[in-house]
Formats: sequence, C-alpha cells, structure tokens
Amino acid sequence: NAGVTQTPKFRVLKTGQSMTLLCAQDMNHEYMYWYRQDPGMGLRLIHYSVGEGTTAKGEVPDGYNVSRLKKQNFLLGLESAAPSQTSVYFCASLTSLETQYFGPGTRLLVL
Amino acid sequence: AQSVTQPDIHITVSEGASLELRCNYSYGATPYLFWYVQSPGQGLQLLLKYFSGDTLVQGIKGFEAEFKRSQSSFNLRKPSVHWSDAAEYFCAVAVSTDSWGKFQFGAGTQVVVTP
Repeated sequence: NAGVTQTPKFRVLKTGQSMTLLCAQDMNHEYMYWYRQDPGMGLRLIHYSVGEGTTAKGEVPDGYNVSRLKKQNFLLGLESAAPSQTSVYFCASLTSLETQYFGPGTRLLVL
Repeated sequence: AQSVTQPDIHITVSEGASLELRCNYSYGATPYLFWYVQSPGQGLQLLLKYFSGDTLVQGIKGFEAEFKRSQSSFNLRKPSVHWSDAAEYFCAVAVSTDSWGKFQFGAGTQVVVTP
C-alpha cells in the first residue's frame, strides 16, 4: 500500500513551457485534491475532485487544469508555466474518516 | 469572510517545555477542525481532528487540542516538547460534510526546539 504518490519530485521549467504533475493513490478514495504551498501562505486549494470524471475549482485555479479519468489518478497540468507558479505542490486524498492523506510533494521552479 | 488564522508565525521553545499553538476561525457555523504537522521536506501528517462531542481531543505524538466555541479557537498543546517536534504546524477547517472539497488551511506556525 503506497498511499499517495506524486511524480515528479522536482522539476525546473522555463516560462511558457507546459507540464503535467501526476498524483496516484491506491486506497480507493473518492476525493482528491491539489494544493500549492508558498511561504507564509499555508496550503491553498487549486482544484479538487469528488470522484472519477469530476473536477471542481478551488481557491487558486487560474493557470492550472486537472483531469480525473481514473479514480486512482489526479493530474494537474500547467499549459504555459509562469514564474508565479514556482511552488511546492501537494496532492491529497480523503479517507473514510474524513481526513486528508497527503503525498510527499512536487517542487516546481519556473525560470 | 471565512478564514483560518494562526497568529504566531514562529515559536521557539526549549526541549521539555510546554507548547501551545493558536488557531482561530471565522465561520458562520462550527466547522470541522484539524491540526497537521509538516516535517522539513515532507508532506502533511494529521495530528488530530474535532468533529463534535468532547471539546478536548487527543492526538498522536502526545498532542492535544481544545475547541472553544465562545472564542472560535482550536489551540494545540503539548506538555513537554521533544526535539523531534520541530516542524511546521497547520490548522485546517472544513465547513461541512457536504463540502469535503472546501478545506481551508492557516498560514502555519514554525516551531523551533532549542536544547
């Protein structure tokens, strides 16, 4: 049982490049989340999903897209990366005890 | 506006001393409340949560938290801090079970433990 995994762990992008962050969970959770963490701002919700095939916007969705084609995977896409998207990205899934279980994070640097 | 506030950005505490981290929320109804800990370079780990019932809740690693409705607070405490408690701590809320997509986190409190 790997829990929540994130790929890649670290990435450097140039402004305007695109990339996809992958989150995978093997716990059969319905709810999944993408957050970004910036110093002094805690975690801010980007997008979330309440089940396969569904997604919804969170607090800071601009510049990001998501897809949940399979229940176990939640993808976060950056179509045209900007320096303001330099951050640490965390994925989480929701357990049956209404508690979020977090992945180890992806550190993204946009130059 | 709905908000979660952690007034202390940074706290330094001596090993063996007590620790209290503050969390205040501003919501129309009583939210579901959580405390998470993040060690350097790691994801967040749940310490404890409050949904209803006894207002003093026990968590892992010797932590406890007390919900005070009158003060809209959910402060985290530990009687005796260990060096391994050095980390960043986040308070979080969810407004209702109908909106588990609506978690909101505080800005975090960085805890430094001195010998």
